[in-house]
Amino acid sequence: GIQVEQSPPDLILQEGANSTLRCNFSDSVNNLQWFHQNPWGQLINLFYIPSGTKQNGRLSATTVATERYSLLYISSSQTTDSGVYFCAGSNTGNQFYFGTGTSLTVIP
Amino acid sequence: DAGITQSPRHKVTETGTPVTLRCHQTENHRYMYWYRQDPGHGLRLIHYSYGVKDTDKGEVSDGYSVSRSKTEDFLLTLESATSSQTSVYFCAIRDRGGGTGELFFGEGSRLTVL
Repeated sequence: GIQVEQSPPDLILQEGANSTLRCNFSDSVNNLQWFHQNPWGQLINLFYIPSGTKQNGRLSATTVATERYSLLYISSSQTTDSGVYFCAGSNTGNQFYFGTGTSLTVIP
Repeated sequence: DAGITQSPRHKVTETGTPVTLRCHQTENHRYMYWYRQDPGHGLRLIHYSYGVKDTDKGEVSDGYSVSRSKTEDFLLTLESATSSQTSVYFCAIRDRGGGTGELFFGEGSRLTVL
């Protein structure tokens, strides 16, 4: 299967700070998603981004498919951004492989 | 919100007992998945289904079986639960296969095996 490496594993930010989360894949993927798992355990879809750049409010994501990585940018972080961020990818279309996540804590 | 309901949401059972988790969707999506989440491992695929009566194994399928007799329901069964199967189980759905289609997750089922 595909190995997915996420960095950093842990991140502590002051409210208002910016951050970049990274996801590297061991093989090419044609389906890539970012998720946020909130402190209550819910998995929330952030981006479906197999290539290119997308923005949604304070969050944006960029995937460079040819180099097998994706970046998630969080600007002006808020305490509600706390939680774990996962990326997941697939190249067969059926099996998705997840990273172990980046745990983000935003302190007021 | 994607129409995915998992039941039960919490269960405590004893080693050796059978357990069935249910995932119900109202989206009429073709693809359904069962993942488990454990600290340090992220989410790992147990089994998935690509249609009624069509299922396949994921990377951690040992000790689990699945069934899908209707489009809307995907059942995960632990025939004889073990303590290593204590985990949070997530169901997911997707409308398209191949290289497209987003995964959407249910709210999870926390299983504790004593």
